[in-house]
Amino acid sequence: AQSVTQPDIHITVSEGASLELRCNYSYGATPYLFWYVQSPGQGLQLLLKYFSGDTLVQGIKGFEAEFKRSQSSFNLRKPSVHWSDAAEYFCAVALYYNNNDMRFGAGTRLTVKP
Amino acid sequence: NAGVTQTPKFQVLKTGQSMTLQCAQDMNHEYMSWYRQDPGMGLRLIHYSVGAGITDQGEVPNGYNVSRSTTEDFPLRLLSAAPSQTSVYFCASSSEQAGSTDTQYFGPGTRLTVL
Repeated sequence: AQSVTQPDIHITVSEGASLELRCNYSYGATPYLFWYVQSPGQGLQLLLKYFSGDTLVQGIKGFEAEFKRSQSSFNLRKPSVHWSDAAEYFCAVALYYNNNDMRFGAGTRLTVKP
Repeated sequence: NAGVTQTPKFQVLKTGQSMTLQCAQDMNHEYMSWYRQDPGMGLRLIHYSVGAGITDQGEVPNGYNVSRSTTEDFPLRLLSAAPSQTSVYFCASSSEQAGSTDTQYFGPGTRLTVL
């Protein structure tokens, strides 16, 4: 079945530590890939996106993500986490046959310890 | 420039009642979408529109109606609310398709409870 999987429901990291959030997708072809962040009580904000080309994508707020076709993965990374990064993070794909139809993972909640 | 606005912020309905969730954007975007967010399930697309007068169904359209008479507004109607429609609803807009190189902008959400 077609799906977007974020294996980690909740992750806790210390401020200043590195972060990696996992995302795997299962579709017939490589979809377009996105990472969004949602702060408490807010709407979603786009962090970065991948369509083609360089498999390492840079985004806002110091985030980057790497697309690995062989693993059907699009993991989000940040070298040094700040307390303000505490939020929920969603991986999403746009279906290749209908770019209006976006599918989201269930989300990973990030807690940052002081 | 207010971006994407949604009203109301909170709403409580009884089963069987109807209501309309309002969404407006002032960025002259052609593409608008409605999502619902449920715990542990991420966002799911309900309906979307590619321009005034044109709408289509998303992943979970049952129980919801939409119309798009102007570029700015994209209301979502619940004709007969059910407890299963208790959720947080987000509206989004973009100048191109949601999954394009353009950025999709989200509203702040409407939290709906159906008793």
